[in-house]
Amino acid sequence: DIVMTQSPDSLAVSLGERATINCKSSQSVLYSSNNKNYLAWYQQKPGQPPRLLIYWASTRESGVPDRFSGSGSGTDFTLTISSLQAEDVAVYYCQQYYRPLTFGGGTKVEI
Amino acid sequence: EVQLVQSGAEVKKPGATVKISCKVSGYSFIDYYIHWVQQAPGKGFEWMGLVDPEDGKIRYAERFQGRVTITADTSTDTAYMELSSLRSEDTAVYYCVIGGLHWGQGTLVTVSS
Repeated sequence: DIVMTQSPDSLAVSLGERATINCKSSQSVLYSSNNKNYLAWYQQKPGQPPRLLIYWASTRESGVPDRFSGSGSGTDFTLTISSLQAEDVAVYYCQQYYRPLTFGGGTKVEI
Repeated sequence: EVQLVQSGAEVKKPGATVKISCKVSGYSFIDYYIHWVQQAPGKGFEWMGLVDPEDGKIRYAERFQGRVTITADTSTDTAYMELSSLRSEDTAVYYCVIGGLHWGQGTLVTVSS
């Protein structure tokens, strides 16, 4: 199975500043059949299910603010929050969704 | 709009079995794999297994093999996950996930004597 490694484990960012989270997969999640990266990013707040932010590594889910962006290809990916807001305090996870599903360990973002 | 509605919270004794349902709507049930994922308190996510509703093909994670049973009922567009021989470490929220991206609201299972 593909192992997903996220860094850092936690991150303290001032309001309005940029937050950057990295995710590395043990093998490429870019599939030649459709030239898509099977990589998603989620936000999870306490007591809630994860909220899909980004899929196909860089496609923003409907309703997600444009301060969230995803980049990368193959084995190295990044989630960027361009200007951190108070409501962005949460744990963020990367996930590869080529069968089966595997997840990064999470990054806790604080103010 | 894809919707997944899971059954309610459960409290079970050690050694018991729990069965959770996931009713889906808003898409063709047979079009996507249905996964089940475990999240223990304060922990990350662990994939448990999947079912292909089109042909019933199943795959289980090695860690849960022998204790988990995943099924899909195409007559009711509902998937099920049954976990047996429960122990305290199985206390967790369990999620169904459609196509790897659409998540149910989660079902809390508490295992306690």
